[in-house]
Amino acid sequence: QKEVEQDPGPLSVPEGAIVSLNCTYSNSAFQYFMWYRQYSRKGPELLMYTYSSGNKEDGRFTAQVDKSSKYISLFIRDSQPSDSATYLCAMSSNAGNMLTFGGGTRLMVKP
Amino acid sequence: GAVVSQHPSRVICKSGTSVKIECRSLDFQATTMFWYRQFPKQSLMLMATSNEGSKATYEQGVEKDKFLINHASLTLSTLTVTSAHPEDSSFYICSATQSSGNTIYFGEGSWLTVV
Repeated sequence: QKEVEQDPGPLSVPEGAIVSLNCTYSNSAFQYFMWYRQYSRKGPELLMYTYSSGNKEDGRFTAQVDKSSKYISLFIRDSQPSDSATYLCAMSSNAGNMLTFGGGTRLMVKP
Repeated sequence: GAVVSQHPSRVICKSGTSVKIECRSLDFQATTMFWYRQFPKQSLMLMATSNEGSKATYEQGVEKDKFLINHASLTLSTLTVTSAHPEDSSFYICSATQSSGNTIYFGEGSWLTVV
């Protein structure tokens, strides 16, 4: 079993839909949780960063962490075709340390 | 936000030659840099962790003599693929973390094609 599980998709939604992306993990030591967006043939771009449990909102993006369930989510409101990319969850036990990645979910937002 | 730059973005080399990829933190000092490779439609695979001024720590299965990593300064780490073979063709990505920061920032990546 992988330390971090993420549905590879592809997830196809119409423009304007609310998108929910999720990861589960098994290592209870993880405290720092990140979501990265990766466009094809580009390096990952940090979208959201959260520490421990709770919610964090930034524009159309909301990140949720439920440490009791070892489950994290990224919600995208009013999805746009430009949101079409692969979304990677990542987590670590210490700040700035090695990240453990999920496999990535490919999202396609259709006009 | 913090910027990490990789160069070159694309490189084609002949089998048997060596190629160097640079990773620079442009506006912060990076005490730790990470090197990843990524095959098409797959997630990032950590190759090694590089701390400034010390030897890199390689992940299991990564040949340290083939993938030479140097982190000579707080803003520059290099990955040299020695005696490259076609199976080394991949997307190589570096990331860096600030000495006092919590976040890891990624470079744009470098496409290596070995012919």
